[in-house]
Amino acid sequence: QTVVTQEPSLTVSPGGTVTLTCASSTGPVTSNYYAHWFQQKPGQAPRPLIHSTSNKQSWTPARFSGSLLGGKAALTLSGVQPEDEADYYCLLFSGGAWVFGGGTRVTVL
Amino acid sequence: QVQLQQWGAGLLRPSETLSLTCIVSGGSLSDSYWSWIRQPSGKGLEWLGDINHSGNANYNPSLKSRVTISVDTSKNQFSLKLNFVTAADTAVYYCVRNFGEWGQGTLVTVSS
Repeated sequence: QTVVTQEPSLTVSPGGTVTLTCASSTGPVTSNYYAHWFQQKPGQAPRPLIHSTSNKQSWTPARFSGSLLGGKAALTLSGVQPEDEADYYCLLFSGGAWVFGGGTRVTVL
Repeated sequence: QVQLQQWGAGLLRPSETLSLTCIVSGGSLSDSYWSWIRQPSGKGLEWLGDINHSGNANYNPSLKSRVTISVDTSKNQFSLKLNFVTAADTAVYYCVRNFGEWGQGTLVTVSS
C-alpha cells in the first residue's frame, strides 16, 4: 500500500513563505495523483484548500497555492498570517485508493 | 449548497458493527463520490472508502475485509458499516462529498 510522507512540522514567521511537500512511496507525484490539501485547526473538521494539484476551493485565500515540485505535491503559503497556524494534510490517489499523508503542523512564530 | 448530516451509534463494544449514515441535502448523489474518512484523537486522517450513486464502491485495502459502504438513492443517503470493531477503531468519522463538503463528524468510541 502506498505511503504518503509529509514534513512533521514547519515553523514560519508572520509574513513569510513556507512550502509543505507531499511525497509518494510509489515514485514521483504527478497530476494523475490528483493531490488535495486540507487545513485543520484544533477541534474542527478538516477544511479543503486545494484539489487536483493546484485548483483552489472558492473559499481558499489567494496566499495558498498548490503545485508539483521536485516530484512531490506542494502547498505554498505566501505572506503567512497568524491564523494559518494549523495542521495540513495532503491526500493522493494511488493504486486505486486515496491515501492521506501524516500531516504537517505549521507554527507561525 | 450541498450539506451532509450524519448519524449513528457513538458507543460500541469490541466485535460489534459500527454503522453510520449520511443524508445529503441540497443536491443529489449523482456526479459525485461519497467518502468516509476517520480520525483518531490526536492522530491523522484515514480514508476508509467511497461510493458513487451507481453503487460502485472502493475501499482502503487495509480495511477492505471489514468495511462496506452502500448508497440509497431513494433516500439520498449513503452508509458505512465496519465489522468486528476494536479499540483501534475509536475515532471521529466523517462523511464527505468529493473531499469538498464534510459532515459534522461523529465520535465513535469502542470500549468494553
